[in-house]
Amino acid sequence: NAGVTQTPKFQVLKTGQSMTLQCAQDMNHEYMSWYRQDPGMGLRLIHYSVGAGITDQGEVPNGYNVSRSTTEDFPLRLLSAAPSQTSVYFCASSYSQREGRQETQYFGPGTRLLVL
Amino acid sequence: GENVEQHPSTLSVQEGDSAVIKCTYSDSASNYFPWYKQELGKRPQLIIDIRSNVGEKKDQRIAVTLNKTAKHFSLHITETQPEDSAVYFCAASEGNNNDMRFGAGTRLTVKP
Repeated sequence: NAGVTQTPKFQVLKTGQSMTLQCAQDMNHEYMSWYRQDPGMGLRLIHYSVGAGITDQGEVPNGYNVSRSTTEDFPLRLLSAAPSQTSVYFCASSYSQREGRQETQYFGPGTRLLVL
Repeated sequence: GENVEQHPSTLSVQEGDSAVIKCTYSDSASNYFPWYKQELGKRPQLIIDIRSNVGEKKDQRIAVTLNKTAKHFSLHITETQPEDSAVYFCAASEGNNNDMRFGAGTRLTVKP
């Protein structure tokens, strides 16, 4: 299994440009999520999905859109990039909560985004 | 919502010494506390976790303790090695990954 994969690894955008960060997993996980990681702030949840066709907002959703048309893929779209969105983005996946126990999240390798 | 504070932000130890990282959380309903290790330029990886019905958990050289009354939990690494050098993150949640909140991280450096 490849686990969680992300593309691209690195991207430079100009302010106002749009782009899509790709995330895919081959572990048949129902739950997928997007985080951003900024220096001194840990990981913050942007959006998440508990299954195909279902998405919801996390802690910092503004400026980002997501969709979940398949179990495997969970792309993150930046509609109009801003310098404040310069960050490292991680996708993660897990099984949905089973038997009342929280499931381990597995992270992708990350996408480093620079917005000029 | 949950707020997680982590200390110290940086920690430097001599190889063979022990390292302790502490986290506090605000939501008394939180019941799951994972610790992640992130090497430079790599993804976060789970190294150990603890649930609220357990006070301590150990896995070889790493251990985690939980004090629910005081709302704090700690990561203990014994006999540190240079390959333990990384950023460590704690997190807390009520039982769902979508409500998990992370600490700001601790950069651990183990000097040979």
